[in-house]
Amino acid sequence: DQQVKQNSPSLSVQEGRISILNCDYTNSMFDYFLWYKKYPAEGPTFLISISSIKDKNEDGRFTVFLNKSAKHLSLHIVPSQPGDSAVYFCAASGWGNFNKFYFGSGTKLNVKP
Amino acid sequence: DTAVSQTPKYLVTQMGNDKSIKCEQNLGHDTMYWYKQDSKKFLKIMFSYNNKELIINETVPNRFSPKSPDKAHLNLHINSLELGDSAVYFCASSQTGAGADTQYFGPGTRLTVL
Repeated sequence: DQQVKQNSPSLSVQEGRISILNCDYTNSMFDYFLWYKKYPAEGPTFLISISSIKDKNEDGRFTVFLNKSAKHLSLHIVPSQPGDSAVYFCAASGWGNFNKFYFGSGTKLNVKP
Repeated sequence: DTAVSQTPKYLVTQMGNDKSIKCEQNLGHDTMYWYKQDSKKFLKIMFSYNNKELIINETVPNRFSPKSPDKAHLNLHINSLELGDSAVYFCASSQTGAGADTQYFGPGTRLTVL
């Protein structure tokens, strides 16, 4: 039973436009949410996170939005660049010690020049 | 200088064999993890160690045995390999293991069982 879901396996966007990647979760006990970026033949690398006490966190071109009532988060990339082409994983965990991260299945973003 | 490294990067072996994957982190972190990325691309946690102690042990066959000789190393030994063990295995580490800790991943080991 997957507690974190990314229902779009792929997304194609033109360079300079906005990329919106979506993630849904089922466990209301999750307190902390992250996005990871993964290039082929590499491990996932941390991109941005948000705690449940916030509904928005911004870091440069990347913004994560959290809608707790809908159990939904999204990652916005503006403007999108070809170097952003990668697989993006959403992850969630509880706030306490030794909590597991639950990952989605990833969305492959292709930014076309 | 690689933060989390894994060896080997690729591993091809026959069913029934025993193999090991090694992981090392030079970040000074206390907690290390093993994840399996299956054919559906989900990253699922298998084990977690904090200061050489087993903290998380998911429902994983007994054929999988992690070993942490020190907090910078977490190796994964797999006995009697089966076709279904074919996957990419990622090692990761984090400072304390708390839910808010960022996890840093290794490059992955692609295991193919023939």
